[in-house]
Amino acid sequence: TQLLEQSPQFLSIQEGENLTVYCNSSSVFSSLQWYRQEPGEGPVLLVTVVTGGEVKKLKRLTFQFGDARKDSSLHITAAQPGDTGLYLCAGVKGANNLFFGTGTRLTVIP
Amino acid sequence: EADIYQTPRYLVIGTGKKITLECSQTMGHDKMYWYQQDPGMELHLIHYSYGVNSTEKGDLSSESTVSRIRTEHFPLTLESARPSHTSQYLCASSERLGGPYNEQFFGPGTRLTVL
Repeated sequence: TQLLEQSPQFLSIQEGENLTVYCNSSSVFSSLQWYRQEPGEGPVLLVTVVTGGEVKKLKRLTFQFGDARKDSSLHITAAQPGDTGLYLCAGVKGANNLFFGTGTRLTVIP
Repeated sequence: EADIYQTPRYLVIGTGKKITLECSQTMGHDKMYWYQQDPGMELHLIHYSYGVNSTEKGDLSSESTVSRIRTEHFPLTLESARPSHTSQYLCASSERLGGPYNEQFFGPGTRLTVL
């Protein structure tokens, strides 16, 4: 059983559209991270959210941590081809180990 | 420039061979990790280390072994590779911090194919 479920698993959209990716769990995490991974590379950290209800913005990307610290969302405004990649959420629980989500593969079509 | 390196980037070998995947980091991080990832899928933790002479097994059972003799070096070894070991192997490191922050820095990965 996966601790963190992401939806959708695959998403293909046109350039300029908006999208939201969800990361859900029944467990509480002390923090939640979002990574982006491009083909043939390792994941790169985008953001860490710590406080329940916290919202962080990174240019066109908006990240929100659920009030109960069990879920998170990533919203991209006006998607661009450069946003294409695998988006992974990861929850910190226990002795500082990360639990990665199932991933969302985003393709932005020019 | 502080970074994390993995070699080789790609490896194609025959069944039964012994292989070692190298991972080095120049950030002075205490914690290091090995993940296994099938293409486009989630990461599964197979080994981690809190520091020199510390190694622990992760959530996913693996036939590989690791060692941590130096802070900067965390190699992974497969004594006898099999086709089921075909996957991408990602190495990562993080500072030894308490609290909710455990930001991991990843290497580029080794894509292993066992024929």
